[in-house]
Amino acid sequence: ETGVTQTPRHLVMGMTNKKSLKCEQHLGHNAMYWYKQSAKKPLELMFVYNFKEQTENNSVPSRFSPECPNSSHLFLHLHTLQPEDSALYLCASSQDNGGYNEQFFGPGTRLTVL
Amino acid sequence: GQNIDQPTEMTATEGAIVQINCTYQTSGFNGLFWYQQHAGEAPTFLSYNVLDGLEEKGRFSSFLSRSKGYSYLLLKELQMKDSASYLCAFLDSNYQLIWGAGTKLIIKP
Repeated sequence: ETGVTQTPRHLVMGMTNKKSLKCEQHLGHNAMYWYKQSAKKPLELMFVYNFKEQTENNSVPSRFSPECPNSSHLFLHLHTLQPEDSALYLCASSQDNGGYNEQFFGPGTRLTVL
Repeated sequence: GQNIDQPTEMTATEGAIVQINCTYQTSGFNGLFWYQQHAGEAPTFLSYNVLDGLEEKGRFSSFLSRSKGYSYLLLKELQMKDSASYLCAFLDSNYQLIWGAGTKLIIKP
């Protein structure tokens, strides 16, 4: 138990569906992250929020839309995804987004796009 | 440019010692992390090195040479539960983590 929870743990969706991934951290951290993890590839940073403000958007397609209503919650809204978007989506949090900050990860959502 | 490289897979025997290497290239460096990730689970923090040398933490040690762009994770007295992927990542000049693809470690009895 890392203090970061993600729901759902598994998601299967069609290309025309709309779904949302949820992340919640109970660590009092101020920075939250979305990563994509594909088999045998490095973790890809998608979005970073620091004190609820988005500070990074690593050229992520607009079919992925993040939302950070407060420092404890982070959402990833999904719309008209492609099969190549199938991956493990990991949420992480850290004290803030600067200097040395250990990131605490959630267990991930395994997404399959049909 | 920036890159980071680690072996894809390694196999070791229970009770033995294994060293997982990580090499990187970057113009700006603010430290290197090692994480452990069991299949289907979250990555968990193992170590952080920003100065050259060896840092020991129980059965696990991490080494860094900044001049060589090189780090390794040393696992001693291997146990079956150490079967996992080990991810190295460095902090670049913008304090962004640049991740390796991970090394899958298989422990055999």
